[in-house]
Amino acid sequence: EIVLTQSPGTLSLSPGERATLSCRASQSVSSSYLAWYQQKPGQAPRLLIYGASSRATGIPDRFSGSGSGTDFTLTISRLEPEDFAVYYCQDYGSSPWTFGQGTKVEIK
Amino acid sequence: QVQLVQSGAEVKKPGASVKVSCKASGYTFTGYFLHWVRQAPGQGLQCMGWINPDSGATYYAQKFQGRVTMTGDMSINTAYLELSSLTSDDTAVYYCARGGITPSGPKFGNEYWGQGTLVTVSS
Repeated sequence: EIVLTQSPGTLSLSPGERATLSCRASQSVSSSYLAWYQQKPGQAPRLLIYGASSRATGIPDRFSGSGSGTDFTLTISRLEPEDFAVYYCQDYGSSPWTFGQGTKVEIK
Repeated sequence: QVQLVQSGAEVKKPGASVKVSCKASGYTFTGYFLHWVRQAPGQGLQCMGWINPDSGATYYAQKFQGRVTMTGDMSINTAYLELSSLTSDDTAVYYCARGGITPSGPKFGNEYWGQGTLVTVSS
């Protein structure tokens, strides 16, 4: 089972700033089956990125994903007020589909 | 449009079992895996396993093996999660989420999620 470690645990930024979130895997993620989700309080997670770098339907282009192998990054180019939330990465290359522990992006 | 609608909140006593349902609409139920994910209060997301609604094949994460059963009813496009021998550690929101195309088609993560079902275990 692949273990995903996200950093930092919390990111304190202001609207308009750039956010860079990291996800490191304990072993290589097959075929870049790495996804990113956004979750707001009381809501289900929302898929942002799949295949490490492909945006899901309806996701704004300020969200971008990159990386391969064991190191992946989610970048939010300019934070909007609605982007303050918790973000999770997920390996869906093999069962079980494991999640990282999450990064909280909070308003500074 | 694709929708996954889950059953309502449950309160159970320790040692009891709970069964959560997830009704799918807007797509071919047997065409996609259905995953179950749980989230304890203030905690992260934990994959419990999945079911192939077409074949009935299942995968259970090791942590839940022996206590979890995932089933599907094609006639009413509904999947079920049953968890037995409940303890307070099982208090969580349980989500169903659509996975990849059955039996071995493309997968894109969990694009669609149910609204979640809160299960509270308390004496």
